[in-house]
Amino acid sequence: GENVEQHPSTLSVQEGDSAVIKCTYSDSASNYFPWYKQELGKRPQLIIDIRSNVGEKKDQRIAVTLNKTAKHFSLHITETQPEDSAVYFCAASIKGSQGNLIFGKGTKLSVKP
Amino acid sequence: ETGVTQSPTHLIKTRGQQVTLRCSSQSGHNTVSWYQQALGQGPQFIFQYYREEENGRGNFPPRFSGLQFPNYSSELNVNALELDDSALYLCASSLLGEQFFGPGTRLTVL
Repeated sequence: GENVEQHPSTLSVQEGDSAVIKCTYSDSASNYFPWYKQELGKRPQLIIDIRSNVGEKKDQRIAVTLNKTAKHFSLHITETQPEDSAVYFCAASIKGSQGNLIFGKGTKLSVKP
Repeated sequence: ETGVTQSPTHLIKTRGQQVTLRCSSQSGHNTVSWYQQALGQGPQFIFQYYREEENGRGNFPPRFSGLQFPNYSSELNVNALELDDSALYLCASSLLGEQFFGPGTRLTVL
């Protein structure tokens, strides 16, 4: 069945450094790839997304890249701050439907001041 | 914060019981998806409703069922509760693909 692999499961960086989280997906029909940030006890929040007709998207300190051939997509956070500490989830649409998502297992990012 | 709301916030049930969880969509959103998030895991897709019809289902048994109403609010019903059903249940509403999550209902099955 469809699957999304996410790495690493934990990531610790110093404030100001960059953080990179990588995901791979199995369904070649997937065409929508959102990233969510979830703080402890709170709802997942959409932070950035990318569609299959775009290779890269940037929003201030956050960027996402997509390699459809390799079925890889990555989240890049530059100039990390302590408030970036959270669990980050990647997701991919199922069978080309943007509304049905399969999630990775998450990456716990810790930013040390 | 999004305009998606869920009730109740917390719920404790015993094995074999039935439960109904509720979700109100963000204004203007006609699609609602439900997810189950076990502790330390990513959300798992249960099913989606679009204009009151089921529009996709994940790998969950038939005892998980749902409804969407004309105002696009939604219910998730779980029959014959099992211990493994203990989780955070999230709904997400969407209009053009981007999904916005509600705060979730924490279900504990004893």
